[in-house]
Amino acid sequence: GAVVSQHPSRVICKSGTSVKIECRSLDFQATTMFWYRQFPKQSLMLMATSNEGSKATYEQGVEKDKFLINHASLTLSTLTVTSAHPEDSSFYICSARDIGRITYGYTFGSGTRLTVV
Amino acid sequence: AQSVTQLDSQVPVFEEAPVELRCNYSSSVSVYLFWYVQYPNQGLQLLLKYLSGSTLVKGINGFEAEFNKSQTSFHLRKPSVHISDTAEYFCALGGDSGGGADGLTFGKGTHLIIQP
Repeated sequence: GAVVSQHPSRVICKSGTSVKIECRSLDFQATTMFWYRQFPKQSLMLMATSNEGSKATYEQGVEKDKFLINHASLTLSTLTVTSAHPEDSSFYICSARDIGRITYGYTFGSGTRLTVV
Repeated sequence: AQSVTQLDSQVPVFEEAPVELRCNYSSSVSVYLFWYVQYPNQGLQLLLKYLSGSTLVKGINGFEAEFNKSQTSFHLRKPSVHISDTAEYFCALGGDSGGGADGLTFGKGTHLIIQP
């Protein structure tokens, strides 16, 4: 089945530094990947849609300059949290859609727990 | 605009009892509905999905859901739960707005607590 690998699973960084999170589709191609954010005991909120070879589409209220998304290939999207602050601490999850599958399928990564101290 | 409502934030159930987790949706386009399970500090695992066809959908781990268009609902059921079913369950909605790849809209989640 479709597998999405997300790395790192946990990261602790100092306030003011940047953190990069990778999302890879291991056995399928994904022209589109999605980045979600989840606060404790809350639902997932779509942050942005990452399109291979073009600019990401951000949801309303998401700062483009803070959350940089790059989708350089059909199997890799990265989210960089720039100048991180404690309020950026959250659980970030990526998702990829398999363009080769007939059925409508999304596969999720295992998530990244970001803690900014 | 699309929305998903999970009215129950928490559902306690005794082991081996049946359970129903409720989900209602709102959408102006064709809908695709999903149920995901999330264990602590993990990503989401797909339980089942409705795309078209039969309104009764069977998924993994003994779960099933029924799509009801008139009631705009997609409730999740299991006839007999186990301790291992304790987790957070999310209902999600995908809409075919013609763009080809829209992100999912999630409900707020229901915490299923299985009591021995």
